[in-house]
Amino acid sequence: GQSLEQPSEVTAVEGAIVQINCTYQTSGFYGLSWYQQHDGGAPTFLSYNALDGLEETGRFSSFLSRSDSYGYLLLQELQMKDSASYFCAPMDSSYKLIFGSGTRLLVRP
Amino acid sequence: EAQVTQNPRYLITVTGKKLTVTCSQNMNHEYMSWYRQDPGLGLRQIYYSMNVEVTDKGDVPEGYKVSRKEKRNFPLILESPSPNQTSLYFCASSRPGTGNEQFFGPGTRLTVL
Repeated sequence: GQSLEQPSEVTAVEGAIVQINCTYQTSGFYGLSWYQQHDGGAPTFLSYNALDGLEETGRFSSFLSRSDSYGYLLLQELQMKDSASYFCAPMDSSYKLIFGSGTRLLVRP
Repeated sequence: EAQVTQNPRYLITVTGKKLTVTCSQNMNHEYMSWYRQDPGLGLRQIYYSMNVEVTDKGDVPEGYKVSRKEKRNFPLILESPSPNQTSLYFCASSRPGTGNEQFFGPGTRLTVL
């Protein structure tokens, strides 16, 4: 079967670093994507990891370990505008993205 | 501007009254998909299409129909809506294959009374 686990909520202080973990189980696996969704908005693409290791895009970095079926999203220098929901989405063997319930990040002043 | 559009953005209807939510993309993407988002359940795929005239069921297809007669359009049809279809619906498109960013439409908030 397919399963996905990430924390439901995370709270952090402005300027801090936060890590959102994701473990998954899929029927085949091509890679792991991350999406951000602000309240009332549509999901927007943040990153994609096909290979093990860290991908960095500005303040955001994403990590993948294929052998552990594990990834994380690292957000540095948190800003208030980073308050949103974050979804990890593994891609299975049919090129389908599997979305879970997401992690709600609250950034406090 | 590259975008996915959906109409209507908000709809309140009654049980059993057929409705269509339109989705259109201007990026020449082959892959299109419909999701519904419910509190605590995240995004669940309803139907997807790999190309024109090719559609397939996602995780929650019951009560929905789709068609893909043109590359740019992928309408979602509810033949006989029921209250459990009250949800936030997103259409998305991308190039097929791995790693390709899915572009989401703005969403359609549907209430079925």
